[in-house]
Amino acid sequence: DAGVIQSPRHEVTEMGQEVTLRCKPISGHDYLFWYRQTMMRGLELLIYFNNNVPIDDSGMPEDRFSAKMPNASFSTLKIQPSEPRDSAVYFCASSPYTGVLYGYTFGSGTRLTVV
Amino acid sequence: TQLLEQSPQFLSIQEGENLTVYCNSSSVFSSLQWYRQEPGEGPVLLVTVVTGGEVKKLKRLTFQFGDARKDSSLHITAAQPGDTGLYLCAGAIRSGTSYGKLTFGQGTILTVHP
Repeated sequence: DAGVIQSPRHEVTEMGQEVTLRCKPISGHDYLFWYRQTMMRGLELLIYFNNNVPIDDSGMPEDRFSAKMPNASFSTLKIQPSEPRDSAVYFCASSPYTGVLYGYTFGSGTRLTVV
Repeated sequence: TQLLEQSPQFLSIQEGENLTVYCNSSSVFSSLQWYRQEPGEGPVLLVTVVTGGEVKKLKRLTFQFGDARKDSSLHITAAQPGDTGLYLCAGAIRSGTSYGKLTFGQGTILTVHP
């Protein structure tokens, strides 16, 4: 398995533009997570899905952020409009049903810079 | 809200030295995991502990889960430059829809000098 695949690896955009981050989880993993990592706040959980259904989006900063999982092999995180404070590394992770015991597999992340 | 506190935040040592990283919380966790993250990559799982008092060893790394399942430690013996990285602890509380949701500590940045 190729692991969790995220694209793009780097994204530089201007303030106010729409940004879409993409994730392909490991086949057979029922849980998908979106995290954001910054030096100040560490790894923050934004939202997670179970069997393509959003379970907890309490970490989504505000209405500018939205996430979808149209099928078991694809998820997107969208920011519209983007702001400089959204600059961070965004990680997608997936896990099997018993992910809490077997751990999460993370992608390599998308480094977002909003100028 | 679960809160995991790691210490120290930064650790800079010479090759061959031993070190311990701590992860503490006021909450009781169903399981606790340790991850290692290298620059430009996502965290990679090192170990999962689930039983109070549990000790697991991974080569030169020893992980311990506190008896009350509120704290954990990671001990590295004879550190090597390849151990350099960000070490993260993460805990999960099994409670209704929170099952499967991990909260991460802030991390410990370890630098091992040759």
